[in-house]
Amino acid sequence: DQQVKQNSPSLSVQEGRISILNCDYTNSMFDYFLWYKKYPAEGPTFLISISSIKDKNEDGRFTVFLNKSAKHLSLHIVPSQPGDSAVYFCAASDTGNQFYFGTGTSLTVIP
Amino acid sequence: DVKVTQSSRYLVKRTGEKVFLECVQDMDHENMFWYRQDPGLGLRLIYFSYDVKMKEKGDIPEGYSVSREKKERFSLILESASTNQTSMYLCASSSPGQFDEQYFGPGTRLTVT
Repeated sequence: DQQVKQNSPSLSVQEGRISILNCDYTNSMFDYFLWYKKYPAEGPTFLISISSIKDKNEDGRFTVFLNKSAKHLSLHIVPSQPGDSAVYFCAASDTGNQFYFGTGTSLTVIP
Repeated sequence: DVKVTQSSRYLVKRTGEKVFLECVQDMDHENMFWYRQDPGLGLRLIYFSYDVKMKEKGDIPEGYSVSREKKERFSLILESASTNQTSMYLCASSSPGQFDEQYFGPGTRLTVT
């Protein structure tokens, strides 16, 4: 059973606009969350993380929001750039040992 | 820069063969991980290791084993490959206490025929 879900397999956004990628989880014990980005033929690379003591974490154009009561996580990319086109995975953990990954959302930023 | 390398990018094996997937990292990381990535299922953890000769089962260890004889090397073994083990296999490593920032290798696309 998928404990971390990304219900949108794909998303297209115009360059310069905001990209919002969503992630839902079922285990209320999860308190570490992160996002990875994956280009074709490469391994995923770490993007940004958040722990449950925060509801927002920002790094440049990337911001992650956490709503624990809704068990919902989102990644905002502003402004979106063509180089952001990739597959984005969210992941969650309760111990920091084992992370459960979502199925990924393929983002296309249109120039 | 952390480098995680995997022995093969593409591998084709026959059902019943013993398969070794090798992973090497050059950053002296204690922690190493093996995942498989399948369409619609995301990344699923097979095994991980905190230290040499130590291993922990992940979410889907059945049909797999691992070996960590040296700190920099983590091997995934398919004792008798089956067609349902056709997948993309990803290795990752991280420093102790930094489970969020895992560094991934490029992956091995394994096809079992």
